[in-house]
Amino acid sequence: GENVEQHPSTLSVQEGDSAVIKCTYSDSASNYFPWYKQELGKGPQLIIDIRSNVGEKKDQRIAVTLNKTAKHFSLHITETQPEDSAVYFCAAVPFSGGYNKLIFGAGTRLAVHP
Amino acid sequence: EPEVTQTPSHQVTQMGQEVILRCVPISNHLYFYWYRQILGQKVEFLVSFYNNEISEKSEIFDDQFSVERPDGSNFTLKIRSTKLEDSAMYFCASSEQPDQPQHFGDGTRLSIL
Repeated sequence: GENVEQHPSTLSVQEGDSAVIKCTYSDSASNYFPWYKQELGKGPQLIIDIRSNVGEKKDQRIAVTLNKTAKHFSLHITETQPEDSAVYFCAAVPFSGGYNKLIFGAGTRLAVHP
Repeated sequence: EPEVTQTPSHQVTQMGQEVILRCVPISNHLYFYWYRQILGQKVEFLVSFYNNEISEKSEIFDDQFSVERPDGSNFTLKIRSTKLEDSAMYFCASSEQPDQPQHFGDGTRLSIL
């Protein structure tokens, strides 16, 4: 089955710097890759997603890139702010012809220091 | 913005007891999911549900687990005879269509004593 590896497990940056989180997946048939942000005491919140027919997607300070050949995708956060501090999860959805089962990475704890 | 709501936020139960976790998915969503996260581990898929039927379940979702949509708004996860290893955060999620993003609730922390 699908397996998703995520790196790094922790990331500490200064406010205003960029942060990059990387994930690799094993199932070449996976076709949907969401990113979730989880703040303390809250559930995962979708922040951006990308489908396999697209190489890059941007939403303000957040971008995601996908390399299908290498089977990896990355989250880029520019001009980081203290409120970006949270745990970030990548996920992949193996194509199953119907119902979407999210396979999550282990998470990255991002700390943005003022 | 519509959201998925879960109750209770924290449930403490004695080992061997039955527990029911409740979720109210977003109103126009048709696909429902349960995930769990054991402390320090990955979020893991448990089950997906559509049209009053389980569409897929993981190896974790054994005979002790069941799901139900008892009415038009609630979606429940029942654990029949809880074990210590069932202690985890349980997240409910819903989506409008199977290929649309899943939206998560804030979870129920289940503690088995």
